[in-house]
Amino acid sequence: LAKTTQPISMDSYEGQEVNITCSHNNIATNDYITWYQQFPSQGPRFIIQGYKTKVTNEVASLFIPADRKSSTLSLPRVSLSDTAVYYCLVGDDGGATNKLIFGTGTLLAVQP
Amino acid sequence: DTAVSQTPKYLVTQMGNDKSIKCEQNLGHDTMYWYKQDSKKFLKIMFSYNNKELIINETVPNRFSPKSPDKAHLNLHINSLELGDSAVYFCASSQVASGRTYEQYFGPGTRLTVT
Repeated sequence: LAKTTQPISMDSYEGQEVNITCSHNNIATNDYITWYQQFPSQGPRFIIQGYKTKVTNEVASLFIPADRKSSTLSLPRVSLSDTAVYYCLVGDDGGATNKLIFGTGTLLAVQP
Repeated sequence: DTAVSQTPKYLVTQMGNDKSIKCEQNLGHDTMYWYKQDSKKFLKIMFSYNNKELIINETVPNRFSPKSPDKAHLNLHINSLELGDSAVYFCASSQVASGRTYEQYFGPGTRLTVT
């Protein structure tokens, strides 16, 4: 059962690149790594998903080392609107609910 | 159009009561979920359900029961509410194929307060 660990909080300034790391030492072979963003009073929103190496989309990049025991969400040039809680999710549902484990969440505070 | 909707948004009730939260998705997804987010913002999955199978997280009390009238709806019934049930409950849906969960779409949440 994969257990995930994230920093509780991070601070940044507008325009900087932010990297948030999630540790998942017990990740299983079939597990994918997914990151979500959550604003206050809203449900989490999908950012990016990957299995290994690097994945990039229009809002973020996801770096996964070869051993897959950690992953790093990279947000380029953050703005004030990126202030939110970021969760990593490790698991492979396939019908097994208890294999979807959310991280503890990282509160990113972006300052002007 | 809202992809995943929940009603009500707020629910205040007394201990011992029975209540329901409704969830609907218009994305055509096969799998729906219920999550509980506590005051420390930890997200914990409670159930997943598709048109074939209900998977229950073994740590969820049997006072909680999901009911799916059809593929687009997954309602959450809670019996004999307790103070510790106070939390925000999120419904979500996704496509699951070849044993892989694709991106989940979450509803706006229902804040349940038990007094």
